[in-house]
Amino acid sequence: QTVVTQEPSLTVSPGGTVTLTCASSTGAVTSGFYPNWFQQKPGQAPRALIYGTSNKHSWTPARFSGSLLGGKAALTLSGVQPEDEAEYYCLLYYGGARVFGGGTKLTVL
Amino acid sequence: EVQLVQSGAEVKKPGESLKISCKGSGYSFTNYWIGWVRQMPGKGLEWMGIICPGDSDTRYSPSFQGQVTISADKSISTAYLQWSSLKASDTAIYYCVRRLNRSSFDYWGQGTLVTVSS
Repeated sequence: QTVVTQEPSLTVSPGGTVTLTCASSTGAVTSGFYPNWFQQKPGQAPRALIYGTSNKHSWTPARFSGSLLGGKAALTLSGVQPEDEAEYYCLLYYGGARVFGGGTKLTVL
Repeated sequence: EVQLVQSGAEVKKPGESLKISCKGSGYSFTNYWIGWVRQMPGKGLEWMGIICPGDSDTRYSPSFQGQVTISADKSISTAYLQWSSLKASDTAIYYCVRRLNRSSFDYWGQGTLVTVSS
């Protein structure tokens, strides 16, 4: 059973920078895992932020960026805003199958 | 405007059957795969499976294979998720999501809350 691991929780100050990561139990995450990142606020459907490791959707704020870092997929928020407080999920591709990470609860404090 | 509109909340008893829907609009429905995602109360997102509405090619996550059936009716631009015999553990919000291409998912439905209780 493939497991995708994210930090359970992170805290960042407004205006700060934070990096969330997404690791695979199978080994290093590469671009071939097509990492996607989603944001979910309480009571709302998820919203797509990043696809294919680092590509932004037309609605994705510029302060969000995706990358590969140390064998993991990473989502960096620069200049964090209070409205960025949310749960963040990564999704990885395993040759036809897909697996979500457990999610990171980001607190802006 | 691309939209995925899901059917309304359901309350069912254990053992009952159910089919929920996800209707796409604002784009060519047959050209984009539709995925289904489960979110149990207070928990994270779980990938269930995906269907190509154009030819009904369907892929299931191992955890959901045999537990649910994913289908689509391209004539009415609608994808479905169904259960033949619900269990209390099927209580969750179910989302549909559009796959733009192999590397990208973009638009999500608003979710359908399914409650299974005796």
